[in-house]
Amino acid sequence: GENVEQHPSTLSVQEGDSAVIKCTYSDSASNYFPWYKQELGKRPQLIIDIRSNVGEKKDQRIAVTLNKTAKHFSLHITETQPEDSAVYFCAASVNDMRFGAGTRLTVKP
Amino acid sequence: GAGVSQSPSNKVTEKGKDVELRCDPISGHTALYWYRQSLGQGLEFLIYFQGNSAPDKSGLPSDRFSAERTGGSVSTLTIQRTQQEDSAVYLCASSSRRGPYEQYFGPGTRLTVT
Repeated sequence: GENVEQHPSTLSVQEGDSAVIKCTYSDSASNYFPWYKQELGKRPQLIIDIRSNVGEKKDQRIAVTLNKTAKHFSLHITETQPEDSAVYFCAASVNDMRFGAGTRLTVKP
Repeated sequence: GAGVSQSPSNKVTEKGKDVELRCDPISGHTALYWYRQSLGQGLEFLIYFQGNSAPDKSGLPSDRFSAERTGGSVSTLTIQRTQQEDSAVYLCASSSRRGPYEQYFGPGTRLTVT
């Protein structure tokens, strides 16, 4: 089955800096790669996703890149703000969805 | 419209008892997923239902865990003879179409086994 690895497990940045989270996956058939944000005590919510026919997607301060050859994808957050502090999960999917272990992002004011 | 709902929100049970957790997906969503999230940990896939197809049970950790989905809508996750290591938040999610699409998560059920 699919195996998703996510790095780093924790990330601390200064407000205004950029943050990058990286994931690798094992199943070359995976064709959907979402990123979820989970704030403390809340449910995960989708922030951006990318499909395997696209290499990069951007939505305001967040962007995701996908390298299918290398089987890795990354989340980029620019101009970070304290409210970006949360746990971020990547996932890879053919039909079911397998999640990475999560990255705890802390943005220091 | 209404989102994914789960009940109960919290459940405390004694070791060895059986528990049932319920998930009501978004109306019309054909795909339904169960995950387990231990404290401070990631989302562990448990089981996946898609329409009338046989469920993908590959993530169930032991035969004490089972799930069913009646009428293609409501799902129940059952844990028999609960153990302390079953303590976690159990999250349900649903998705609108066949194939990989955005999952909408419920609020979760926090299970504590004493």
